[in-house]
Amino acid sequence: AQRVTQPEKLLSVFKGAPVELKCNYSYSGSPELFWYVQYSRQRLQLLLRHISRESIKGFTADLNKGETSFHLKKPFAQEEDSAMYYCAPGQGAGSYQLTFGKGTKLSVIP
Amino acid sequence: DTAVSQTPKYLVTQMGNDKSIKCEQNLGHDTMYWYKQDSKKFLKIMFSYNNKELIINETVPNRFSPKSPDKAHLNLHINSLELGDSAVYFCASSNRGEDTQYFGPGTRLTVL
Repeated sequence: AQRVTQPEKLLSVFKGAPVELKCNYSYSGSPELFWYVQYSRQRLQLLLRHISRESIKGFTADLNKGETSFHLKKPFAQEEDSAMYYCAPGQGAGSYQLTFGKGTKLSVIP
Repeated sequence: DTAVSQTPKYLVTQMGNDKSIKCEQNLGHDTMYWYKQDSKKFLKIMFSYNNKELIINETVPNRFSPKSPDKAHLNLHINSLELGDSAVYFCASSNRGEDTQYFGPGTRLTVL
């Protein structure tokens, strides 16, 4: 069965401190990996995808296939980063099936 | 110019009732999804649907059924509502074979 583990329900850091949101997955096949974010009073939206190797809003995520992890990192947290973050592996040729983790609430303290 | 919209935003109803939640997308996407987010913020896929296939998460009770009058709409019908159905329901859309999904604002369903 597909499973995604985000061990921290809540993560509080001070502004300017480094942030790491952990994600481990158990998934059959070779899924693509995504991070989605939900800011307060806004809808869920894609933050970044592994395949693009991109940095969005200063965030990067490294895929470690050996550890089946896809941790999200940012060197210096900003107050506007406070949000709910979801790790989501997915695959599919037609309908793309995403499996979301339970989410980590990031709170950046000014 | 809302991309994915849902109505209603809030729905409060009694156990045993039948209700529907509507979803519309104006992105020209051909695939739509329904997700359920429970009180612990756990987000789980319920259905994915395009005009050729419906994929149902096996854990979804058959009281839940998606109805698609056209490519831009995927409504969620729920029969015989139960207390455990209380959650936030999110609609999303994408293009077939593409990985980015665009989410609606959610519908908070409360069953009393």
